[in-house]
Amino acid sequence: AQSVTQLDSQVPVFEEAPVELRCNYSSSVSVYLFWYVQYPNQGLQLLLKYLSGSTLVKGINGFEAEFNKSQTSFHLRKPSVHISDTAEYFCAVFTSTDKLIFGTGTRLQVFP
Amino acid sequence: DSGVTQTPKHLITATGQRVTLRCSPRSGDLSVYWYQQSLDQGLQFLIQYYNGEERAKGNILERFSAQQFPDLHSELNLSSLELGDSALYFCASSVRDNVLGTFGSGTRLTVV
Repeated sequence: AQSVTQLDSQVPVFEEAPVELRCNYSSSVSVYLFWYVQYPNQGLQLLLKYLSGSTLVKGINGFEAEFNKSQTSFHLRKPSVHISDTAEYFCAVFTSTDKLIFGTGTRLQVFP
Repeated sequence: DSGVTQTPKHLITATGQRVTLRCSPRSGDLSVYWYQQSLDQGLQFLIQYYNGEERAKGNILERFSAQQFPDLHSELNLSSLELGDSALYFCASSVRDNVLGTFGSGTRLTVV
């Protein structure tokens, strides 16, 4: 079965600093990978997705992620974070059998 | 606004009771997915319907059931509620089967 591991439950960072949120997946078949963001008391919003092609994927709000097949990773990065980026971030893998499998989430806390 | 409508937004009920959560998919979407987000289990896929038929099942309890009606809206029925059923329940919809859906803002269920 597919699984997704988000290595950090919380990531504190100062405003304007770079950030990386780590995600590893387990799969023996091709997968589609996603990052979602959940702001407090809101639903899930798609940040970016990797389906095929270029391994560097750009998403909304200045986020990007790199698909690394050999390391089975899909880390999310942003070169300079804002206070408004404070939220929970979920990595997910989508397969035809398991639908969306989510990681446990990483809480990004941006401090002024 | 994602176009996926979930009602009610909040629901408080007692243990042993039964509730119904409703999801109206985006216009034109035939597929509906239900997910549960709880503190201890994280985000989990529950069940999927496509054009009125059950298509896939995830970690859905026997006390839970769902259906999709001819107008394509879906209802998730939760019965014999327990404290541990307190969670945020998300619905997502998509045009076709086996593709990523767009999430609604969720229904927060509190069982007391």
